[in-house]
Amino acid sequence: DSGVTQTPKHLITATGQRVTLRCSPRSGDLSVYWYQQSLDQGLQFLIQYYNGEERAKGNILERFSAQQFPDLHSELNLSSLELGDSALYFCASSVVAGAFSYNEQFFGPGTRLTVL
Amino acid sequence: DQQVKQNSPSLSVQEGRISILNCDYTNSMFDYFLWYKKYPAEGPTFLISISSIKDKNEDGRFTVFLNKSAKHLSLHIVPSQPGDSAVYFCAASATGGSQGNLIFGKGTKLSVKP
Repeated sequence: DSGVTQTPKHLITATGQRVTLRCSPRSGDLSVYWYQQSLDQGLQFLIQYYNGEERAKGNILERFSAQQFPDLHSELNLSSLELGDSALYFCASSVVAGAFSYNEQFFGPGTRLTVL
Repeated sequence: DQQVKQNSPSLSVQEGRISILNCDYTNSMFDYFLWYKKYPAEGPTFLISISSIKDKNEDGRFTVFLNKSAKHLSLHIVPSQPGDSAVYFCAASATGGSQGNLIFGKGTKLSVKP
């Protein structure tokens, strides 16, 4: 158990809908990262938050957004869903973030999103 | 363009023998490298890491080697056990420039046969 929790474990929805994925980082970790793993793809970095502020953006679509709350949990919002958004979404956390910080990230179990 | 490449999608090894998983990278700004293991229906689990100031790091049966001039790293598992069967991801980070997000390879599926 990595200490990172994600809910829900599975989510099935229809095209055009909006969903929210939730992540609670390990105790003491200030940095939260979101990754997407599609079929036959590696993990693609989406976005990072550090202590409530957005720190880095990767291949995140404009239809997707995220935030980190004062209690450090994070939510990933996916809207106007398309079939191609079906994937595993992982949240990871780490203690630090920023330049010259060695960055062992600990991953949650993921949320499997299926868009029908 | 893939910055981190794992060119072998799968590897099969006999129990007790050595497993060698390879990873190549293209971005010379990467200075920290990690290996993760992933079982089906679970999140990736951190295995071992190495910074660019080293060329080798050991942790029990796992050793990671880094060849900066070749932009190549490898993970050695000795001896291999059936419980090591999983997908292994190589990841890299440019800690000096970015905010530490990881760039992952597509993974190598290791099968250790009894």
